[in-house]
Parts: sequence; C-alpha cells; structure tokens
Amino acid sequence: DVRLVESGGGLVKPGGSLRLSCVASGFSLSSYNMKWVRQAPGKGLEWLSFISASGKNIYSADSVKGRFTISRDNVKNSVFLQMSGLTSEDTAVYYCARGGLTGTFDIWGQGTMVTVSS
Amino acid sequence: SYVLTQVSSVSVAPGQTAKITCGGDNIGNKRVHWYKQKPGQAPVLVIYDDTGRPSGIPERLSGLNFENTATLTISRVEAGDEADYYCQVWDTTSDNRGVFGGGTKLTVL
Repeated sequence: DVRLVESGGGLVKPGGSLRLSCVASGFSLSSYNMKWVRQAPGKGLEWLSFISASGKNIYSADSVKGRFTISRDNVKNSVFLQMSGLTSEDTAVYYCARGGLTGTFDIWGQGTMVTVSS
Repeated sequence: SYVLTQVSSVSVAPGQTAKITCGGDNIGNKRVHWYKQKPGQAPVLVIYDDTGRPSGIPERLSGLNFENTATLTISRVEAGDEADYYCQVWDTTSDNRGVFGGGTKLTVL
C-alpha cells in the first residue's frame, strides 16, 4: 500500500523553527520527486517546495524562499521540511506529496498541522 | 508568475452534469491536473495530464484543456462528489514552480 505519513507539526512561537518529516512506504522514495504543500485554515492549496529524486534540484515558492528548506534521505525513505522564521501566516496543514512525471502530486500524506502563535 | 483562476462555487442537482473551469494564459499549452478534497481530508488526484484518470477514478469524471480554459466535467453527479476541486499546473516559464487554482466548492443540491 503506497503511503506518506507526515509528522513534526505542533504549536510554535513566532520567529521559531520546526522540522517536518514525511516517511514513505509501499514505494521506493529514491525514484520520485517529492513536494510540500500547505493549506491555511479555510484556504486553498499552496505549493511550497520541490526536491528531485536525487536531491540535486530544489525549487521553492517565493513565500518561503530563504526560510524553508526541503531535503531528503532516500536511505530512510524520508523527506523533510526545515522551517524557520515562522509567522502567523505560516499556520496551516502541511502536506507532503509524491511528484509524478508531468508535475502532478499523485500521492498525498494526511497532513500535519503547524500553528504559529504566542 | 502564472495564475490559475477558478470560480469559487458551483451547484448542481443530483444526476445532472457539473462543469468546473480553470482559466490561465494559454493553459492549453500546459498539462493540467485536478484534485478533489473533502473536508478534513487530503487532496486526491482525480485527473492528470488534462484527460487522464488514475486508477479507481470513475469514468463520470473527465477533463478537457483548450486555449485559455481547462474544464473538469462530472457527469451524473452524486452526493459523494460534493467537495472542493483544485486545478494545478507545473509552470516552467520563468521558474519551476507548482501552481494551484483557488479551488471550486461543488455543492450537490
């Protein structure tokens, strides 16, 4: 069964940092590009970051560039999102997703909630 | 940056046909993907590459992409189709980035 499971969300103070993890099962992570997407409460989907299968290519949305860093460990079948300089506008459910060949997000995790509040 | 525009809501009676549109500059030149999201759940890919259906997605769902508008059509609408639907492209014109439309809430009357 192909599955992604995120963890690491929680309550963090403004200016704080958090590291999200996404563990894949049922497929070989090393064969796929991976992405992070977030959804603020009551809002739509926002793409955040992309990492290629090898880890050589990384792209990030302007809204998080310089603050969020995507990485991966193919041996551990895991993808990470290191977040720093968090503000209330970063409050959202964060999803990791598997990337398809033509830019799809073909498998999604269940999401992990990040709340930025003092 | 590339922008995808969706109407915020569409309402349709059961058994009728729902059309959800996604507008973008020359979107017909891009591959459009569609996602269904029910409240409290993660999105699910329902259409890929304009017209493709992943395994398990019913034939009632179909996609079209031409010129400046992509369309998701849901035939014989059922109560279980009520959800938010998002279109998406991968934009490589100025940089590599994922782009989502704002989403359309489909209400089954």
